[in-house]
Amino acid sequence: KAGVTQTPRYLIKTRGQQVTLSCSPISGHRSVSWYQQTPGQGLQFLFEYFSETQRNKGNFPGRFSGRQFSNSRSEMNVSTLELGDSALYLCASSYLHRNYNEQFFGPGTRLTVL
Amino acid sequence: AQSVTQLGSHVSVSEGALVLLRCNYSSSVPPYLFWYVQYPNQGLQLLLKYTSAATLVKGINGFEAEFKKSETSFHLTKPSAHMSDAAEYFCAVSEGNQGGKLIFGQGTELSVKP
Repeated sequence: KAGVTQTPRYLIKTRGQQVTLSCSPISGHRSVSWYQQTPGQGLQFLFEYFSETQRNKGNFPGRFSGRQFSNSRSEMNVSTLELGDSALYLCASSYLHRNYNEQFFGPGTRLTVL
Repeated sequence: AQSVTQLGSHVSVSEGALVLLRCNYSSSVPPYLFWYVQYPNQGLQLLLKYTSAATLVKGINGFEAEFKKSETSFHLTKPSAHMSDAAEYFCAVSEGNQGGKLIFGQGTELSVKP
């Protein structure tokens, strides 16, 4: 099976702009989670979508939003970009075992905000 | 609330030496625990997972980890380090009812000296 794909791999934006990142999960996986990785804060959970519904949400401001389509592909949007939004954004799709999710990560999108 | 603490942000070993990366967790319910590895400019790759079956878990690339409930620990070991093991390692915890939400430790960068 093909792995998790994320597009684009690199993005440069300026403060105040908005950005949309895309994630295509492994075929058959219905859950997609998003994480932000920065040197200072490490890996932080943003949100999870399952069957087109947000199932979990982390502690990020409302500028961060997402959605999932019927084919399980997911997009993440950040509006009114701030310098601190510069990060590696990782998407993970999950294989659902009976009691837990096993997550497979994509290569990430490196966002730089100038 | 769940949390993960990785002791030591940087660990350096000689090639052929024992690798020991420490992880302690906090969880109000029996946890699911994971170790991931990240190579530069890449996403996360699952090394191994604890899902309440055997307490000694074997993973890929010769790594293993032991779940010790009394110590709330899940340390990662490898008997003999190889140069290719140099990377950043993350310990993560999930509670079964949290779906696709992982809480990560701050990461440990492993250096391997020739």
